[in-house]
Amino acid sequence: GAGVSQSPSNKVTEKGKDVELRCDPISGHTALYWYRQSLGQGLEFLIYFQGNSAPDKSGLPSDRFSAERTGGSVSTLTIQRTQQEDSAVYLCASSLGIAADTQYFGPGTRLTVL
Amino acid sequence: ELKVEQNPLFLSMQEGKNYTIYCNYSTTSDRLYWYRQDPGKSLESLFVLLSNGAVKQEGRLMASLDTKARLSTLHITAAVHDLSATYFCAGSQGGSEKLVFGKGTKLTVNP
Repeated sequence: GAGVSQSPSNKVTEKGKDVELRCDPISGHTALYWYRQSLGQGLEFLIYFQGNSAPDKSGLPSDRFSAERTGGSVSTLTIQRTQQEDSAVYLCASSLGIAADTQYFGPGTRLTVL
Repeated sequence: ELKVEQNPLFLSMQEGKNYTIYCNYSTTSDRLYWYRQDPGKSLESLFVLLSNGAVKQEGRLMASLDTKARLSTLHITAAVHDLSATYFCAGSQGGSEKLVFGKGTKLTVNP
């Protein structure tokens, strides 16, 4: 079946611009996660959505970062006023939302801020 | 706060040899995950370990969990070139589903 999909696969932007990254989770998965991967920081948790519960935003690095999940499915991660340190691969994952369930990762969006 | 440490960070080995990657974590972790990442690719789930003494095997890879020692291992048996990749362990804590990852072990298997 279809896995987690993300778009765009690559995004190059100028410092100060806003960007939106999209994630389509696996159908039927109620939990959705955003992580980012960079050389300096490794893999870091950003935000987690589970069903209709309030999202866990504890990993968002600054208030320039926000995310929403519409209709319990597609999610958008928005970064406002991008900075060079935001350059990273942004990974989305989804799971059934059952404790200890495997998180399935998408291919990622490589963001480059010039 | 949960911290996860892997070692070694780089591992170069010959085909046919055995080796172990270690994953230590700082506080109680509800469960332990192992993922594989090929260059330029995303993360592929390998194992989920839920309880003390859990052991799981898939092909040439075997993962185990010792919650008392706060240690998980990923053992590679008779390595082949196709196993070359970066391997990550990750834990979660306190009922949270968010994963805390180690820095990864880049494995290179040489013919």
